[in-house]
Amino acid sequence: NAGVTQTPKFRVLKTGQSMTLLCAQDMNHEYMYWYRQDPGMGLRLIHYSVGEGTTAKGEVPDGYNVSRLKKQNFLLGLESAAPSQTSVYFCASSPARGQYFGPGTRLTVL
Amino acid sequence: SQQGEEDPQALSIQEGENATMNCSYKTSINNLQWYRQNSGRGLVHLILIRSNEREKHSGRLRVTLDTSKKSSSLLITASRAADTASYFCATDRWTSGTYKYIFGTGTRLKVLA
Repeated sequence: NAGVTQTPKFRVLKTGQSMTLLCAQDMNHEYMYWYRQDPGMGLRLIHYSVGEGTTAKGEVPDGYNVSRLKKQNFLLGLESAAPSQTSVYFCASSPARGQYFGPGTRLTVL
Repeated sequence: SQQGEEDPQALSIQEGENATMNCSYKTSINNLQWYRQNSGRGLVHLILIRSNEREKHSGRLRVTLDTSKKSSSLLITASRAADTASYFCATDRWTSGTYKYIFGTGTRLKVLA
């Protein structure tokens, strides 16, 4: 099993550009999550999904959209990137308790 | 201050010593979990303790939970250089139909060989 994978690993955007981060898991987990990690702060939940076709807002959802069209994929979209969205983004999946994390995506918005 | 604050922020010990990290939180929880993050990598789940449990062991890890004080501690015994990492606690709960999963700011542990 590959576990949880994230694409891309690194990305640099200009302010106003859009992009989509892809998270994929091959463990048949129902729950999936997107977090951001900023220096000096714990991870903060952006959006999450409790199953295919469902999404919900987390702690810091503004400026992001998500979709879970397939159980194994959870996409995080930035429609108009802002410098405040410079961060490391982690995806995770979970069967119910405990979360399995991807390696992260380092995003820089200039 | 955030739900799930770790203390200390940084800890440096010699190999073989024990390392203790603490986590405090503000609201009631369902579970509390500890994660390890090596520099530049994703998080690794270490241990989960439910709100009705007081202590849990896993290998060299010992976690305690005191819901009356809203605090937890992670003890790593006989530390090794490979334990060098950041350690995060995370709390989860459902409230009013909303799921809250909140991480603390982490403790940076350095184990010197």
